[in-house]
Amino acid sequence: QVQLQESGPGLVKPSETLSLTCTVSGGSISSHYWTWIRQPPGKGLEWIGYISYSGSTNYNPSLKSRVTVSLDTSKNQFSLKLSSVTAADTAVYYCAKFSGPSWALLSWGQGTLVTVSS
Amino acid sequence: QSALTQPPSASGSPGQSVTISCTGTSSDVGGYNYVSWYQQHPGKAPKLMIYEVTKRPSGVPDRFSGSKSGNTASLTVSGLQAEDEADYYCSSYAGSTEVFGTGTKVTVL
Repeated sequence: QVQLQESGPGLVKPSETLSLTCTVSGGSISSHYWTWIRQPPGKGLEWIGYISYSGSTNYNPSLKSRVTVSLDTSKNQFSLKLSSVTAADTAVYYCAKFSGPSWALLSWGQGTLVTVSS
Repeated sequence: QSALTQPPSASGSPGQSVTISCTGTSSDVGGYNYVSWYQQHPGKAPKLMIYEVTKRPSGVPDRFSGSKSGNTASLTVSGLQAEDEADYYCSSYAGSTEVFGTGTKVTVL
């Protein structure tokens, strides 16, 4: 059973870039698809985007201009960068294993809260 | 890309059934058989309960079932138990992207 763990700063200043890493254990990142989802406090889920084992990406159109997801197969990790953040980007950020053929999120990390504030 | 519409809340007594709807459009729910349902307890990560409209991952009780008619998908929880009290979110493929529902809080009375 694959396990995922998010890591990164819990506080980011407005206009700066949010950077998070997801470490995958119990399985190789060089297979399946991997994705990021976020959840503002007290609100619903929002899909950010995914990256495939081959490195192809697909992003939420509403975030596409600010988002980059990348793979580091040597460390069995994938990462999220979100630029020009505002308070509206404050959320719990989850990484998850994504089944491309089923479009289902199979396994989730525990989530990490990122607050955007000066 | 608008969120799928779910009722804010639903409830039932132990042993009863509760059904949650998830309404989208022909560009998401109605156009593909890629609807999933997730259960989220407070402070926890979501958990996959149903995928591809009707399929259950290993380990999910058969009390949970999914269906779809037109642009509306549904999750039914039969034989409600105390541990079923949680938030439930649907999601759907929407043409190379994914969209989530607004979420439904299920209360076991």
